[in-house]
Amino acid sequence: EPEVTQTPSHQVTQMGQEVILRCVPISNHLYFYWYRQILGQKVEFLVSFYNNEISEKSEIFDDQFSVERPDGSNFTLKIRSTKLEDSAMYFCAIGTGGADTQYFGPGTRLTVL
Amino acid sequence: QQQVKQSPQSLIVQKGGISIINCAYENTAFDYFPWYQQFPGKGPALLIAIRPDVSEKKEGRFTISFNKSAKQFSLHIMDSQPGDSATYFCAAPHDTSRAGKSTFGDGTTLTVKP
Repeated sequence: EPEVTQTPSHQVTQMGQEVILRCVPISNHLYFYWYRQILGQKVEFLVSFYNNEISEKSEIFDDQFSVERPDGSNFTLKIRSTKLEDSAMYFCAIGTGGADTQYFGPGTRLTVL
Repeated sequence: QQQVKQSPQSLIVQKGGISIINCAYENTAFDYFPWYQQFPGKGPALLIAIRPDVSEKKEGRFTISFNKSAKQFSLHIMDSQPGDSATYFCAAPHDTSRAGKSTFGDGTTLTVKP
């Protein structure tokens, strides 16, 4: 099973601050995803990323969010101006595309105060 | 948008019993139906998945039953163990996305009592 690491494991920030969440897939995959999970709720799709561009994004992924692979390895999620409601677990996932298996990282817990 | 309805919301089973979690979907174009297991503080981990060309798939104590005409699939955990206590999510891929984003069910919290 492909391995995915995420940093940091926990991020605490003040409302209005920018945060960058990082995902490092150990194996070489083509598709990258970000999901979030508000405490006690279901996992929600944010964005998928393929060939260095966004393939699809949800209505949650507004202008405050952006993704990139700055060095061809790390996959980052940036939230420009955090809001209280951005507090959640953020999971990176990797996959081979289509409707096939997605492998999730351990997540970053974001707390916005 | 793909809707995935999962039930029950929570489930308590005695050790050795059978746990059954159900999932219903709307779009018939999908060809892959995974179940994920999530422990507190961890990411979802693929448990078992099925493609609609078969009606059942078994891996150890875990079985997926698939009913294509009813657009339902279920997870059966045989001989449930306390270590199975976790949240289980069914998922289904979005029909217009070649990148295979998944829509998750609301989750079922399973508690297996010793």
